[in-house]
Amino acid sequence: DAMVIQNPRYQVTQFGKPVTLSCSQTLNHNVMYWYQQKSSQAPKLLFHYYDKDFNNEADTPDNFQSRRPNTSFCFLDIRSPGLGDAAMYLCATSREAGAYEQYFGPGTRLTVT
Amino acid sequence: GQNIDQPTEMTATEGAIVQINCTYQTSGFNGLFWYQQHAGEAPTFLSYNVLDGLEEKGRFSSFLSRSKGYSYLLLKELQMKDSASYLCAAMDSNYQLIWGAGTKLIIKP
Repeated sequence: DAMVIQNPRYQVTQFGKPVTLSCSQTLNHNVMYWYQQKSSQAPKLLFHYYDKDFNNEADTPDNFQSRRPNTSFCFLDIRSPGLGDAAMYLCATSREAGAYEQYFGPGTRLTVT
Repeated sequence: GQNIDQPTEMTATEGAIVQINCTYQTSGFNGLFWYQQHAGEAPTFLSYNVLDGLEEKGRFSSFLSRSKGYSYLLLKELQMKDSASYLCAAMDSNYQLIWGAGTKLIIKP
């Protein structure tokens, strides 16, 4: 089945220790998104890519970076995680930019100790 | 500013009908989405409205009034598995999604 895959599902990292989250998709969609979602809050868009064209949201902290080496894969790097970065990180795709539904991966739950 | 308002929590009884309301303010408008999110899981797409009126899809229906900046999600014949958060998201003129914090729906037997 075509899908969005995120690894790992659960990640524990230490305060200040860099961590990378990964996402892959078999949907062949052009657009990929990274969201941060904290409990009972709206998903917050961190980055999105149209193909390899990178778009950084204005209020995404510099501590977060992203890479999309090819159509299928996207990575989220957190350079120096703080306690406030503990959250669910959701990867999503859409066929094109515009009014298309987004398909979400299962998410990575990040814990910072 | 851009904003989505929806109730934080609602409770309903199995077999009943519930309506979850959403009001939005966006710079331009390119449609409104509803997603379902079970606890600890990713959101899944339910519906998309861009024209005024009611869209029906099985037990779920979604309504939009563009002039009022208002939408609702109607769930009929509620089942226990419908216990989840329901996220409203409006798309602005730049095709950016403005997300609500979700309405947690609790279904009681």
